[in-house]
Amino acid sequence: GAGVSQSPSNKVTEKGKDVELRCDPISGHTALYWYRQSLGQGLEFLIYFQGNSAPDKSGLPSDRFSAERTGGSVSTLTIQRTQQEDSAVYLCASSLPEGTGGYNEQFFGPGTRLTVL
Amino acid sequence: KDQVFQPSTVASSEGAVVEIFCNHSVSNAYNFFWYLHFPGCAPRLLVKGSKPSQQGRYNMTYERFSSSLLILQVREADAAVYYCAVCRSNDYKLSFGAGTTVTVRA
Repeated sequence: GAGVSQSPSNKVTEKGKDVELRCDPISGHTALYWYRQSLGQGLEFLIYFQGNSAPDKSGLPSDRFSAERTGGSVSTLTIQRTQQEDSAVYLCASSLPEGTGGYNEQFFGPGTRLTVL
Repeated sequence: KDQVFQPSTVASSEGAVVEIFCNHSVSNAYNFFWYLHFPGCAPRLLVKGSKPSQQGRYNMTYERFSSSLLILQVREADAAVYYCAVCRSNDYKLSFGAGTTVTVRA
């Protein structure tokens, strides 16, 4: 079956521009997560969605970062006025609803590599 | 602050057993998760649990605050980044370590 997909796979942008990164989770996975992996660093949690709600946005590094999810499916991570330190691989993951067998097993997409010049 | 620690690199030779150690300071930790990541591809779950377990060539040890991933009969193709992650019993969030880069000599 289809896994988590992300687009674009690579994005190069100029400092100060806005970017949108897209995540298509596995069908039926109501939980969705965004992570960031900067060069030489581990996976940094950004935001968690349960359905269309984001009960935990604690990992968003600044107010330039926002995310939304519509229809309990596709999610978009938006970075406004990009800075060079935003350059990283942005990974999306999804998982089954809480209480379902296998909850907390997160399935990852391949990521979007963002380069801010 | 919840932290997960793992070595940055582990070097090995083909056919050997690779052990990657992970420990954490996450309160009420419930499960360990070990992910394999080839850069540019999706991280893939290898093994998880709250007790020792095995999936193929991957063994996971379990203690309350630590776990080791053992890769049996390691191959050159196993050279990748391995992530340890921990979740709490009352939470959805995974806390990840910084990843361990495994290198394998022929």
